[in-house]
Amino acid sequence: GEDVEQSLFLSVREGDSSVINCTYTDSSSTYLYWYKQEPGAGLQLLTYIFSNMDMKQDQRLTVLLNKKDKHLSLRIADTQTGDSAIYFCAEVGGRRALTFGSGTRLQVQP
Amino acid sequence: SAVISQKPSRDICQRGTSLTIQCQVDSQVTMMFWYRQQPGQSLTLIATANQGSEATYESGFVIDKFPISRPNLTFSTLTVSNMSPEDSSIYLCSVAGLRTWGNEQFFGPGTRLTVL
Repeated sequence: GEDVEQSLFLSVREGDSSVINCTYTDSSSTYLYWYKQEPGAGLQLLTYIFSNMDMKQDQRLTVLLNKKDKHLSLRIADTQTGDSAIYFCAEVGGRRALTFGSGTRLQVQP
Repeated sequence: SAVISQKPSRDICQRGTSLTIQCQVDSQVTMMFWYRQQPGQSLTLIATANQGSEATYESGFVIDKFPISRPNLTFSTLTVSNMSPEDSSIYLCSVAGLRTWGNEQFFGPGTRLTVL
């Protein structure tokens, strides 16, 4: 079955880089996603990566995928206080529905 | 990206009553899904809303408790029936499958339900 795991909490200083990690179990996943959820808000799609890619960069965001180890990471460069939120990774199943990780709460300290 | 609206945005309901949540998209989409996010938790898929046919439910969710309609390619409803305090959650719809989006999946703003 599908299972996605994340560490629960990460604290960084403003201006540093943040790295949020995720592991998944379904080797047939074709796409892996990162979403951001701010307090009281819905989910914002940040980026996604196709499973045959190793890396995807989008402005301050870098996604790294190690398909052999089923490990996904999201790096946020120059982290700002506005980046404080919960970050979810998710993998897509056969019917295109998403299986989510538990979410990582990122706290950015000034 | 798609513009997805949900109504109501929040509600407080009494035990034993039912609430119907609406999800409207500004474009025709192939796939529509309903998720639940319990307080402090991640998202769990309730069902896939199928246009013109019965929804496909995930393990632990049944049609009698969560009836779903999808009359066309831009609209779906989720009803939470015979509510109990355990149903207090955020309910979110998501959409996928518009050609211009590629493989992106977008979420509505959610409906925050509190059951007393």
